[in-house]
Amino acid sequence: EVQLVNSGGGLVQPGGSLRLSCAASGFTFSNYWMSWVRQAPGKGLEWVANIKQDGSEGHYLDSVKGRFTISRDNAENSLFLQMRSLRAEDTAVYYCARGQAVLAVSAIDYFDNWGQGTLVTVSS
Amino acid sequence: DIVMTQSPLSLPVTPGEPASISCRSSQSLLHSAGYNCLNWYLQKPGQSPQLLIYLGSHRASGVPDRFRASGSGTDFTLEIRRVEAGDVGVYYCMQTLHTPLAFGPGTKVEIK
Repeated sequence: EVQLVNSGGGLVQPGGSLRLSCAASGFTFSNYWMSWVRQAPGKGLEWVANIKQDGSEGHYLDSVKGRFTISRDNAENSLFLQMRSLRAEDTAVYYCARGQAVLAVSAIDYFDNWGQGTLVTVSS
Repeated sequence: DIVMTQSPLSLPVTPGEPASISCRSSQSLLHSAGYNCLNWYLQKPGQSPQLLIYLGSHRASGVPDRFRASGSGTDFTLEIRRVEAGDVGVYYCMQTLHTPLAFGPGTKVEIK
């Protein structure tokens, strides 16, 4: 069974840093693009970042570029999101999601599995 | 960037009756390989989103055939043939053709 378990959320002051983790199991983690998606309280879903299977390529939402870094450890079946210079507007539940692709050369065509989410609150 | 819109944003439904949600994109979502990069998700209250429909019209594993999706290019529709109480939640469409990947604002389905 595919499982994605999010952790690392918490309360952080504006300007602070936090590192989120996503532990994957039940599938060959290194075969899949992975993503982070967030949801501010009472709001909709917002894609944050993608990372390629081998970690060589990543893409980011403009508002987090230069502040967030997505990474992965395929040996440990783990996905990470390092968040720096956090702002109040980064407050959200952060989900990791597994990407599926139709073509070998594609990145992500859809997300088929999601973690349970971890809450990040940026407040003084 | 591709912008996704949905209508209606709120949809009160009667159990047993049909329901329909529209999703539009600001650019065509038709991939050069011939499939639409448009997916539908349902987020039930207090839960993570779950995949309902992928590539425009393909039901995900375990999704009942009461759910049907259609459309191509910029206009897509999700239909629920007979709504059940367990279908309540927020339905999102999402495009994956170009980054930034983008979700629609969501349609909240609730029982009348």
